[in-house]
Amino acid sequence: EDQVTQSPEALRLQEGESSSLNCSYTVSGLRGLFWYRQDPGKGPEFLFTLYSAGEEKEKERLKATLTKKESFLHITAPKPEDSATYLCAVQAEDSGGGADGLTFGKGTHLIIQP
Amino acid sequence: DGGITQSPKYLFRKEGQNVTLSCEQNLNHDAMYWYRQDPGQGLRLIYYSQIVNDFQKGDIAEGYSVSREKKESFPLTVTSAQKNPTAFYLCASSHVGEDQPQHFGDGTRLSIL
Repeated sequence: EDQVTQSPEALRLQEGESSSLNCSYTVSGLRGLFWYRQDPGKGPEFLFTLYSAGEEKEKERLKATLTKKESFLHITAPKPEDSATYLCAVQAEDSGGGADGLTFGKGTHLIIQP
Repeated sequence: DGGITQSPKYLFRKEGQNVTLSCEQNLNHDAMYWYRQDPGQGLRLIYYSQIVNDFQKGDIAEGYSVSREKKESFPLTVTSAQKNPTAFYLCASSHVGEDQPQHFGDGTRLSIL
């Protein structure tokens, strides 16, 4: 069974204080790992897809990295508007047809204080 | 603008009542999905569809039903058999193919009266 574990559950940072969020996963074979941002009362917003170990992707103050067992979302010099819940999800290689559902972690609730 | 529209935003269900949640997309995506989100839990897959007139059960399909009569629409019915329906329901869509990201609507919050 595919599993995704995110840590920490919650993280409070001061504005400008860089940190990392962790996503550990267990899948039979990884087809893709996805990061999403979710604001309260809204649907998740797609951020990144990572496919293979060693891959990195960046967007503004966010950088996502991938190893064979985990992914990190690094947040550099965060601002209050970066406050949100960040979700990690995986799609397994044994998914049929390329359109199966994702397995999600419970998310990390990030608060950036001014 | 292209996107996914879910309606209503809030919905209340009486005991023994079936309710239907709407999901429409204009992204020309073939695949559509329904997830359920509960506090402190990850999103869980209810149903998904890769093509019109075909759909598959996800991890928690019991008490739910869907239809896919049009490419753009994937309504979800929460039946009276679903004993714990209070949750945030999210609809998503994607292209069919490896590693295609799913894009989400803004959800429907269902509560029991």
